[in-house]
Amino acid sequence: KQEVTQIPAALSVPEGENLVLNCSFTDSAIYNLQWFRQDPGKGLTSLLLIQSSQREQTSGRLNASLDKSSGRSTLYIAASQPGDSATYLCAVRPGDTGNQFYFGTGTSLTVIP
Amino acid sequence: DTEVTQTPKHLVMGMTNKKSLKCEQHMGHRAMYWYKQKAKKPPELMFVYSYEKLSINESVPSRFSPECPNSSLLNLHLHALQPEDSALYLCASSHPYGAVGYTFGSGTRLTVV
Repeated sequence: KQEVTQIPAALSVPEGENLVLNCSFTDSAIYNLQWFRQDPGKGLTSLLLIQSSQREQTSGRLNASLDKSSGRSTLYIAASQPGDSATYLCAVRPGDTGNQFYFGTGTSLTVIP
Repeated sequence: DTEVTQTPKHLVMGMTNKKSLKCEQHMGHRAMYWYKQKAKKPPELMFVYSYEKLSINESVPSRFSPECPNSSLLNLHLHALQPEDSALYLCASSHPYGAVGYTFGSGTRLTVV
C-alpha cells in the first residue's frame, strides 16, 4: 500500500519568505500527484496536478516538482503572504488501480505579517 | 461547470435520527468518493463509486450507507450515528482511471448529539 508523508507537519514563516513543502511516497509507480490547500473547516482546493511524465508545474507563485524515481515532490511558494496560511496536502494516484488517491499527512503553514 | 456541490453545509442530528448528505457534479466524472475528515487529520477514504457501482468500501460501519442514483449524484445515508462520527464529510469526483485529478466539494460539517 502506498504511504505518503509530508514534512514538516507545521511551518511558521515571516511574510515575504520563500518556502518549500515536501511530500514523499513509497511506491514510485504513480499516475499523478496533486497538491491541495485546505482552510480550516473547508473543503480541499486543488492547486497543482503533476502527471507522472512531468517534472514540474507552475501556477502564479506556486511551483510543484516531481521526482518519481526517488518518490518525492516539493511545493515551492514564492514571496509568501498571510493569505497563504492554510494546511497543504499532497495526494498520490497509484499507477496500478488508479481509482484511489492516497493523501499525505499535511503541512500546516502560518505566514506571519 | 467545474464544481462539486455538497448539501447541507452543516447538519446536527441525534443518535436516533436518519439523515442524508448529498453531492452533485456536472463535470462528466465517472468516479465519486466520500471522505471523512477529523480535525487536524488528512481525509480518510470511506467509499468509491466507479461508473455508478460501488468499487471500494473501506470497512465503513453499516450505519453509513452510500448510494449513487446516477452519474451526477452521490448520497450518503446516515442512521443511528455515534458522537464520534462527528466530522467534516467531503465528496470528490474524478475519472476512474487516467490523468484527471480530484475535484472536492466544500464539505458537510456533521455534529452528532
